[in-house]
Amino acid sequence: KNEVEQSPQNLTAQEGEFITINCSYSVGISALHWLQQHPGGGIVSLFMLSSGKKKHGRLIATINIQEKHSSLHITASHPRDSAVYICAAHVSGGYNKLIFGAGTRLAVHP
Amino acid sequence: DVKVTQSSRYLVKRTGEKVFLECVQDMDHENMFWYRQDPGLGLRLIYFSYDVKMKEKGDIPEGYSVSREKKERFSLILESASTNQTSMYLCASITGPGQPPYEQYFGPGTRLTVT
Repeated sequence: KNEVEQSPQNLTAQEGEFITINCSYSVGISALHWLQQHPGGGIVSLFMLSSGKKKHGRLIATINIQEKHSSLHITASHPRDSAVYICAAHVSGGYNKLIFGAGTRLAVHP
Repeated sequence: DVKVTQSSRYLVKRTGEKVFLECVQDMDHENMFWYRQDPGLGLRLIYFSYDVKMKEKGDIPEGYSVSREKKERFSLILESASTNQTSMYLCASITGPGQPPYEQYFGPGTRLTVT
């Protein structure tokens, strides 16, 4: 079993839909990252969470430390949101190691 | 604005060649990482460095080595490239040390094809 599990693996949505991507982890963390990768592009950090909830525009990230679960929500989705979304657990202690989920490929159609 | 740059976006090499991938960051970060990304496998850590001349193996170090002679530069070396090293290679640097959590910054990636 992977230490960081994401679901779903692939997601197709119509423009305007509300989208949720889930991430569960089994390691102790100091933070959880949500990253976005556009086709052919580099990776951009969307959120870094250690508790509660963060919002940036149409994106909302939540984390439940007790349940070891995080979600990324996209409200009023748009085709430009089409990308791979990756969650990464920042492992407590050690040398700042990140463990990555396999990613969720999102396609938003007009 | 933090900048992490990689020497090439696309690279084609032949089997057996020695390959150098360079990564430079301009934010005086101590921690730098090399990952490879393959479809269905996500990002996997090859090597990381927490200081000049210091390095630690990640999850898949076989066939790779690294060099960190200066704080801003972290190089990944494929001693003898093989076709199974065809992949997207991503460099990252991270804020810290100090109190976590830390922000991670990625380079644009190098898509390496070994023929």
